Amino acid sequence: SQQGEEDPQALSIQEGENATMNCSYKTSINNLQWYRQNSGRGLVHLILIRSNEREKHSGRLRVTLDTSKKSSSLLITASRAADTASYFCATVSGGYQKVTFGTGTKLQVIP
Amino acid sequence: GAGVSQSPSNKVTEKGKDVELRCDPISGHTALYWYRQSLGQGLEFLIYFQGNSAPDKSGLPSDRFSAERTGGSVSTLTIQRTQQEDSAVYLCASSLAGLAVLGETQYFGPGTRLLVL
Repeated sequence: SQQGEEDPQALSIQEGENATMNCSYKTSINNLQWYRQNSGRGLVHLILIRSNEREKHSGRLRVTLDTSKKSSSLLITASRAADTASYFCATVSGGYQKVTFGTGTKLQVIP
Repeated sequence: GAGVSQSPSNKVTEKGKDVELRCDPISGHTALYWYRQSLGQGLEFLIYFQGNSAPDKSGLPSDRFSAERTGGSVSTLTIQRTQQEDSAVYLCASSLAGLAVLGETQYFGPGTRLLVL
């Protein structure tokens, strides 16, 4: 399996509920980022968390990182229909400039 | 300012034909990345440019795939003798200095949707 796997693969919630997505990875990382993709097109950067950080907030987004478990979670609070998209985690390891993307979680927020 | 642009947005071609996909990065960005995304899948890294050179071509799936970048700006991804399994969305991204290891953000273009019949 590849570096950066998200679960669940798909998530459907009601507007106003919180959505939690998880990402697991295999090798040690420098940083982890979350991206969002609408309709199979370009990705938009949401938030970055560095390997020495445990939690970051940005608006309705909260990201946690547990390097001992090699996992991260993305929490979207008070979800809106406009949050419907696919969400990917991306990791950078070692000295490489290559960013490895996970398989993504497809979120549907029902109005 | 202008973001990353890609052309064409959609391309339909016949098996065996060559295709060229173009990426215009954000002005001043030295790093450029190509990814491939098959239907419903994650992103598969293809190649990374720093300026005009490609330090990492490890993701190119076969020798039918090649890419170049000229003038530290526009990049072209060429697929020769296309096969049906090449059908995917090809995404390009650029970043300011190629410092992914420091968490530098990548800015993505809208992608080219390639369909090989």
